[in-house]
Amino acid sequence: GAVVSQHPSRVICKSGTSVKIECRSLDFQATTMFWYRQFPKQSLMLMATSNEGSKATYEQGVEKDKFLINHASLTLSTLTVTSAHPEDSSFYICSGDRYTFGSGTRLTVV
Amino acid sequence: EDKVVQSPLSLVVHEGDTVTLNCSYEVTNFRSLLWYKQEKKAPTFLFMLTSSGIEKKSGRLSSILDKKELFSILNITATQTGDSAVYLCAVPRGAGGTSYGKLTFGQGTILTVHP
Repeated sequence: GAVVSQHPSRVICKSGTSVKIECRSLDFQATTMFWYRQFPKQSLMLMATSNEGSKATYEQGVEKDKFLINHASLTLSTLTVTSAHPEDSSFYICSGDRYTFGSGTRLTVV
Repeated sequence: EDKVVQSPLSLVVHEGDTVTLNCSYEVTNFRSLLWYKQEKKAPTFLFMLTSSGIEKKSGRLSSILDKKELFSILNITATQTGDSAVYLCAVPRGAGGTSYGKLTFGQGTILTVHP
């Protein structure tokens, strides 16, 4: 079946720095990828939809200038958390469709 | 706005017990409901339900949908410690196109199975 590879699995960064998370579709072409965020003890919340070759669409309340999404090829979507703050600490997960999720990135901002 | 509510939020049982997890929903343009198992990392797909009354089964897990009453249940029989996880249900948004991948998740049920 379809496989999505997500890196890094875990990252710790200092406040004010930026972090990039990569999501690759290994055996299919992904014109669309979906980014979710999960806070501790909470469910997954859709943040944005990345579209290959065009702008991402963001869910209400998600700052597009803070969470930069790039989907420059059919196999790679990236999420960059800019000027990270401790409240951005969360588990970030990408998906290629409703069945296939990346393994997630646990971001801790100190 | 689509809404998915799961109950109970947590459940502690012993090996061999049978559990029933509930998921109710209020969505526009309902097309399907999905169940996932999440163990520390990303969700693993279990079932997709589209029709009322038709049970989906995989080993000790089964699920059924009631479109009239707007809910689904996930049953796990003869539970094992390896079943300990968060179980999530979700519904896709919208009527088609890229909406198929945009999911609204419930809060999840944390299942703990003790030996």
